[in-house]
Amino acid sequence: KQEVTQIPAALSVPEGENLVLNCSFTDSAIYNLQWFRQDPGKGLTSLLLIQSSQREQTSGRLNASLDKSSGRSTLYIAASQPGDSATYLCAGVPSSGGYNKLIFGAGTRLAVHP
Amino acid sequence: EPEVTQTPSHQVTQMGQEVILRCVPISNHLYFYWYRQILGQKVEFLVSFYNNEISEKSEIFDDQFSVERPDGSNFTLKIRSTKLEDSAMYFCASIPTSGGNEQFFGPGTRLTVL
Repeated sequence: KQEVTQIPAALSVPEGENLVLNCSFTDSAIYNLQWFRQDPGKGLTSLLLIQSSQREQTSGRLNASLDKSSGRSTLYIAASQPGDSATYLCAGVPSSGGYNKLIFGAGTRLAVHP
Repeated sequence: EPEVTQTPSHQVTQMGQEVILRCVPISNHLYFYWYRQILGQKVEFLVSFYNNEISEKSEIFDDQFSVERPDGSNFTLKIRSTKLEDSAMYFCASIPTSGGNEQFFGPGTRLTVL
């Protein structure tokens, strides 16, 4: 059964730092991967999608990469701001079939303080 | 920009009652999903729906749950006889095709079973 681990579980940093959030899958056969942001009590905002033929995606200060051989993904946040404070979720679609259901990690709770 | 909408935003019900959660997916999308997130836990896949039938369901999606697309726009999740442990945030999501597309999530319905 596919399991997703996110490290660290929580992170508190001063504004301006560059951050790395990690995600790993027990089964490295991942079809595609999405990173989401979740604010407390709110829904899921899609940040980046890495499709099956891709290795990384960038959007503004965010960069996500996926190493399919190891089943590990990294979300890099450059020059963090207090507005980045949220929980970041990693989710993958297993290659073992299924209709694109996402398997989620527990998230990294990020706090960026001024 | 098109978005997935869900109603109600918060539903409070008594144990044993039936509830229907409603979603309006993005209009040209063909694959639909329900996920749930119990407070403090991971987001979990419940069911996927394509071409007017269930394409995959998880172990959580037992006989108490059902989904329906009663018309061309709505996608509903029914829980026949709610239990305390059904209290969670329920998210609807959709994608246009099966080809590794980004899943777009609605804002969620918070279900509280008393």
